[in-house]
Formats: sequence, C-alpha cells, structure tokens
Amino acid sequence: SQTIHQWPATLVQPVGSPLSLECTVEGTSNPNLYWYRQAAGRGLQLLFYSVGIGQISSEVPQNLSASRPQDRQFILSSKKLLLSDSGFYLCVGSVRRGALPSSYNEQFFGPGTRLTVL
Amino acid sequence: SQQGEEDPQALSIQEGENATMNCSYKTSINNLQWYRQNSGRGLVHLILIRSNEREKHSGRLRVTLDTSKKSSSLLITASRAADTASYFCATAIPKSRRALTFGSGTRLQVQP
Repeated sequence: SQTIHQWPATLVQPVGSPLSLECTVEGTSNPNLYWYRQAAGRGLQLLFYSVGIGQISSEVPQNLSASRPQDRQFILSSKKLLLSDSGFYLCVGSVRRGALPSSYNEQFFGPGTRLTVL
Repeated sequence: SQQGEEDPQALSIQEGENATMNCSYKTSINNLQWYRQNSGRGLVHLILIRSNEREKHSGRLRVTLDTSKKSSSLLITASRAADTASYFCATAIPKSRRALTFGSGTRLQVQP
C-alpha cells in the first residue's frame, strides 16, 4: 500500500527564515500530490497540487512555493517565513482506483508537520 | 468559500450516546468522504459514500447522503471516549485534479 513520509514532525522557525518541508511517497507511482495547511481549529486548505514532475498548481496566493523534482517527491518552500505561515502542513497523495464507471479517487495522507513561526 | 461545511462545530456527549454530525456542500459531487483527525495529527479515512448511494454503514458509523439537499450526516453509535476527535467531510474540488476540500470540522468530545 502507498505511504507518505513527511519530516520533521514539528518545526519552530523565526520570522524571516527560509522553509523547506519534504514529502516522499512509497508504494505507488505517478500519484497526484497535494499540500494542505490547517490553521489552529480550522479545516484543511489546499495550497498546491501537482499531477506530475515539474507540474505545480497554486490554489491560493501566498508566501509559499512548491516543487516536484521527482515523481515521488514534493517540496514546500518559503524564502522568508511570516507569522501567518504557522500551522499544520499535510502532504496528501491521490491515485485512481477501479474501473469506470465505478472508479474512485483514493487519498492517502502523510503524518503532517506542525510549523510554529515566532 | 469552503465546499464542505460541518455542523455543529463542537459536540460534547457522554459515552454510550450517539453523535450526529452534518455536512453541507455546494457543487455537484461524485462522492463524499468523512475523515477523522486526532489532536491536529494526520487524517484517517473513515468512509466514502458515492453520489448514487443514500446510506452506508461501517461498524458503528452510519453515513447518509442527500444530493437534493447537498448534505450528508455522520452518525457514530454507542460512542466511546476513544471517538474523541475532529471529524471532517470532504468533497472533490472542481478542476483541481482530485484535490479535496474540507470543512472546518466538528470537534467531538466523548466524556467517559
């Protein structure tokens, strides 16, 4: 079965410092990959998604960027963190399962990274 | 605005009682999913219900879907303290390549 690895689990960074969060996938190839952010007490907000190497789509304007240098690697970055970047960052993968007309999307989730910007 | 919105935002019940959470969405869907999250950790998939299904069961979970009202409900029967968590419904974001949109969730507290 597919697995997503994320690290670190927690991170405390000063305002203005750079950020790099990495997400790697095992057990499947060519997944769609997503970065979500969850602010305290809120739901998950989609930040970026990628359908393949080098292909990134941004859902909301923000201080962050994403890259997909390899099929199973998805990176979230920032050059200068803001206080508002604090939150829980979740990497999610998605693959298509089954055959039409009963096919469906299966999502699998990483453990997340809790980022605190001070 | 968010596609899936849950209510209530918070729910506190006693062990053994049933917990019902509701979710509303705005656009047409192929399916709707319910997830559970413990204390800001990763999400666990609970159940998926397709747009042509009206009800689905999984253990103590019962999910209903009313596509005419664009709403779904999650019922947890005979709740346990271990059911304490946040519960989210999720639907696909149109034109976002299988990405999901989540509501703000229902925080369920089951008192022992």
